[in-house]
Amino acid sequence: NAGVMQNPRHLVRRRGQEARLRCSPMKGHSHVYWYRQLPEEGLKFMVYLQKENIIDESGMPKERFSAEFPKEGPSILRIQQVVRGDSAAYFCASSSRDLYSGANVLTFGAGSRLTVL
Amino acid sequence: DAKTTQPPSMDCAEGRAANLPCNHSTISGNEYVYWYRQIHSQGPQYIIHGLKNNETNEMASLIITEDRKSSTLILPHATLRDTAVYYCIVRAPETSGSRLTFGEGTQLTVNP
Repeated sequence: NAGVMQNPRHLVRRRGQEARLRCSPMKGHSHVYWYRQLPEEGLKFMVYLQKENIIDESGMPKERFSAEFPKEGPSILRIQQVVRGDSAAYFCASSSRDLYSGANVLTFGAGSRLTVL
Repeated sequence: DAKTTQPPSMDCAEGRAANLPCNHSTISGNEYVYWYRQIHSQGPQYIIHGLKNNETNEMASLIITEDRKSSTLILPHATLRDTAVYYCIVRAPETSGSRLTFGEGTQLTVNP
C-alpha cells in the first residue's frame, strides 16, 4: 500500500500562473481532504470530497481555488492566478469512510509545497 | 467539537517517557480523542485515538481520565525522531461535519 500520494512535491509558479496539485488516496479510500499550512502557521481545513462530489468546501477561499475528485483519477486542487500569499504546503488526506460514521482516521500525504515568485 | 488546551512546548530527554497532556473539559459523551503529530515539514501522522478506555498501540499509549475531561499521550521511550508538534483533537462523529480541526498543538523537543 503506497499510502496517500501527492505530486508534485515542490512547485514553483510566477504570479498569475495556475497551480495544479494532485492527490491519489490510499487504495480503497473514497474520501479526500485538503489542508493548507502557511509558513509558520497551523493546518487549516480547505475542502472535503468524495468521488465526484464536493461535500464540504467551507475552508476554501471564495475565489481562484477549486477542487475536484473525479470518478477516475486523482483529486486535483487548482489555484488560478496565484499570488505570493498562496505560497504554502498543501496536504491531502484520505479515509475509507466519512467521519460521521464514528471514529476514523485520516492518512496524510507528504504534501505539495507551492512557492509563488 | 470540544475545545482542547495543550501546553505550547515541552522538552524530554532521549530514552525517557514523554507525557503530553491535553485538557478537554467540555467533551461530550460521544466525542473521541485523537492524537496526531507533525514532524517538521512532513504530513501529519495519526498516532492513536480513544473514547473512554485507555488505549495502547505500537507508537504510544493514551490515558483518558475517568471523567474524560483530560487525557495524556505517553511515548514510552522517546527518541530524537519523536521531536514534532503533537495535536490533541476532540471530535464527535455525528455533529461536526467532515473536518478534523487542528489547533496549535504541543511542540515536543526530545533532547540527547
